[in-house]
Amino acid sequence: DQQVKQNSPSLSVQEGRISILNCDYTNSMFDYFLWYKKYPAEGPTFLISISSIKDKNEDGRFTVFLNKSAKHLSLHIVPSQPGDSAVYFCAASAMKYGGSQGNLIFGKGTKLSVKP
Amino acid sequence: GAGVSQSPRYKVAKRGQDVALRCDPISGHVSLFWYQQALGQGPEFLTYFQNEAQLDKSGLPSDRFFAERPEGSVSTLKIQRTQQEDSAVYLCASSSNGGAYSGETQYFGPGTRLTVT
Repeated sequence: DQQVKQNSPSLSVQEGRISILNCDYTNSMFDYFLWYKKYPAEGPTFLISISSIKDKNEDGRFTVFLNKSAKHLSLHIVPSQPGDSAVYFCAASAMKYGGSQGNLIFGKGTKLSVKP
Repeated sequence: GAGVSQSPRYKVAKRGQDVALRCDPISGHVSLFWYQQALGQGPEFLTYFQNEAQLDKSGLPSDRFFAERPEGSVSTLKIQRTQQEDSAVYLCASSSNGGAYSGETQYFGPGTRLTVT
């Protein structure tokens, strides 16, 4: 049973417009959420994260929103650029191992294509 | 190096062979994780080390899988008697283990793509 879900396998947007990637989770113990970007034949690259005590975190063109009551988070990319084309993974973790962050639980990913 | 490195990048093994996959974490990182990523899926947790101690191996799919990190730095994931279902990308990640409430970002290596024929 998937604890982290990305229901859209793919998303296509025009260059310069906003990309919105969505993620839902079921485990209320999750307290740290991350987005990773992955290019073919490379490992996931960390993009942005958010702690459960916040509802928004912004880093340049990337903003992550967290709605704890809905168990939903989203990644906004604005403006989108062709170089943003990649697979985006949502991941979540909970405190474990005597106070340290536990292993990540990943969604299946959303493939973003940004058209010039 | 500055990031997590893994070797080999690609490995082809015949069914029944043993393989060993290496991970060099970011220098000074206390925590090290191994994940398995099947085609079209997100990475799935295999095992976790804090320094040389293997604190969690709940994700290892069978007793054919074994991991070690004897000196708290480099780690090796070993798969004995490989099966076709072991074909996947094996990812290693490390984090600095900043402690409670800090949130800890895991940084990934490029992965080893294992193909069992």
